[in-house]
Amino acid sequence: RKEVEQDPGPFNVPEGATVAFNCTYSNSASQSFFWYRQDCRKEPKLLMSVYSSGNEDGRFTAQLNRASQYISLLIRDSKLSDSATYLCVVNLSGGYNKLIFGAGTRLAVHP
Amino acid sequence: DTGVSQDPRHKITKRGQNVTFRCDPISEHNRLYWYRQTLGQGPEFLTYFQNEAQLEKSRLLSDRFSAERPKGSFSTLEIQRTEQGDSAMYLCASSPREAGPRGYGYTFGSGTRLTVV
Repeated sequence: RKEVEQDPGPFNVPEGATVAFNCTYSNSASQSFFWYRQDCRKEPKLLMSVYSSGNEDGRFTAQLNRASQYISLLIRDSKLSDSATYLCVVNLSGGYNKLIFGAGTRLAVHP
Repeated sequence: DTGVSQDPRHKITKRGQNVTFRCDPISEHNRLYWYRQTLGQGPEFLTYFQNEAQLEKSRLLSDRFSAERPKGSFSTLEIQRTEQGDSAMYLCASSPREAGPRGYGYTFGSGTRLTVV
């Protein structure tokens, strides 16, 4: 079983749509959680951290359920520029910040 | 110093050849990481340095792979006797000792794309 599993995608949505991505992680000792965005043939870039209380950054909302070991990302009012791969990322323990990535979910927003 | 630099950006090599990649981290970051990413997958951890000490190596890092960070600044990743399965994007990242408010201050370089023919 992979340590971090995501919806396989791709998600093809029209502009303005709301889209949700899900992610599960296997190690209950995971301490920190993130969503990264990766554009085609580019490096991953941090989109947002995910906190237990849930957090929002503009059109993006992230949720964490530690009991279910489940992370989600909601994108409202999708823009063409949101087209990218979204990577679910966990850090297994404190210390030196080794990140474990999911395989990513590809989002394509069309006019 | 605007970010993490990797060189070269692209490398095409014949199977069996040796290749070496370089990473220059953000200067004040003492932590440096190498990841490998293949098509359709997320980055996979390869190894980690704190200053010049290599503190963890993934089992993905076979005997043909070696990484160094001799003076605690730049790092090199060498692959000996390359195989077609080594074709991937090799990403370097660095972070400061203390975690910041957003994602540990982790910064990735643009990567080196290796193609073994």
